[in-house]
Amino acid sequence: DSGVTQTPKHLITATGQRVTLRCSPRSGDLSVYWYQQSLDQGLQFLIQYYNGEERAKGNILERFSAQQFPDLHSELNLSSLELGDSALYFCASSATHYNEQFFGPGTRLTVL
Amino acid sequence: AQSVTQLDSQVPVFEEAPVELRCNYSSSVSVYLFWYVQYPNQGLQLLLKYLSGSTLVKGINGFEAEFNKSQTSFHLRKPSVHISDTAEYFCAVTSTGGGNKLTFGTGTQLKVEL
Repeated sequence: DSGVTQTPKHLITATGQRVTLRCSPRSGDLSVYWYQQSLDQGLQFLIQYYNGEERAKGNILERFSAQQFPDLHSELNLSSLELGDSALYFCASSATHYNEQFFGPGTRLTVL
Repeated sequence: AQSVTQLDSQVPVFEEAPVELRCNYSSSVSVYLFWYVQYPNQGLQLLLKYLSGSTLVKGINGFEAEFNKSQTSFHLRKPSVHISDTAEYFCAVTSTGGGNKLTFGTGTQLKVEL
């Protein structure tokens, strides 16, 4: 158990819908990262927050957004969902913005 | 920009045999290197990391990796595998300059057979 929690574990929804994925980092970690794992794209970095502020952005679609709250938990919002958004979404956390990352168990999103 | 190449998508090996999973990286700046393992239906677990210092890095579960700067490689090895090592292994890189986003390879599926 890495100490990073993600909810929900599974999410099934329809095209065009909007969902919110939630992540709680390890106690004391200030940095949160979001990654997408899909069969065709592999593991891709989406976005990073550090102590509430956006730190780095990767291959994140405009339909996706994230934020980190004062209690340091983070949410990833996915809107206007398409079939191709079906994937495993991982959250990771680290103590600062340059330490090793610890991954949560992931949220499996299925878009029908 | 960095990239990671894991040439072997699948590696079958018999139990108690040695194994090497290959990883090559490309970067114009200094890097930190990592190996993660993913068991079925689970998240990623850090096996080992190279930040600086000794080029031979020891990790959990008896795994080790050697950083070779001239060959831009970071191969993962284990002298004797167990059936429980069956999993997907990912090599990852991040630059030392900050930001900390991980760039992953495509993964190597290690299948240990009796």
